[in-house]
Amino acid sequence: KQEVTQIPAALSVPEGENLVLNCSFTDSAIYNLQWFRQDPGKGLTSLLLIQSSQREQTSGRLNASLDKSSGRSTLYIAASQPGDSATYLCAVPSTGTASKLTFGTGTRLQVTL
Amino acid sequence: ETGVTQTPRHLVMGMTNKKSLKCEQHLGHNAMYWYKQSAKKPLELMFVYNFKEQTENNSVPSRFSPECPNSSHLFLHLHTLQPEDSALYLCASSQGGGVTEAFFGQGTRLTVV
Repeated sequence: KQEVTQIPAALSVPEGENLVLNCSFTDSAIYNLQWFRQDPGKGLTSLLLIQSSQREQTSGRLNASLDKSSGRSTLYIAASQPGDSATYLCAVPSTGTASKLTFGTGTRLQVTL
Repeated sequence: ETGVTQTPRHLVMGMTNKKSLKCEQHLGHNAMYWYKQSAKKPLELMFVYNFKEQTENNSVPSRFSPECPNSSHLFLHLHTLQPEDSALYLCASSQGGGVTEAFFGQGTRLTVV
């Protein structure tokens, strides 16, 4: 059974800092890994999707890396802004069932002025 | 606008009420999903539909009844719910097969009183 863990659970940084969010998963036989952002009480916004054959994906100030063999992914946010404050979730398809996503509990990020 | 629209955004219902949640996607996807997000717990998959056929029921109580009349619409019918069913209910869609990106709606915040 696939399990996803995100560390840290919460993070507060001053504006302008670069930061790294971590995601680990127990079963490395994944099709892809997806990073989402969730604002309080809202739905999920897809940030980046990394296919299993890729090592990283970039979108603006965001860079996500994937190391399947070690069961890890990182989301790097450069030059953080207060608008980046949200909960960040990673998700992978569940073992044996590609249509089911298993989510971590998320990292709640606060970027202060 | 994510391409996945959920209504209503908020719902308060009594334990004896019957209500329905609606989800509509305009992305041409073939798979649709219901997820439940409770406080301080990871998102839990409830149901999966592929090409209007239910392919996953994650041991969800029968007081939750999904309906998928076509690939663009998904409903969740609610009947005799319990206070512990209060949560954010999220709908998602994907192209299908789990190997492509999942897109989420804004969710329905359900409170059972």
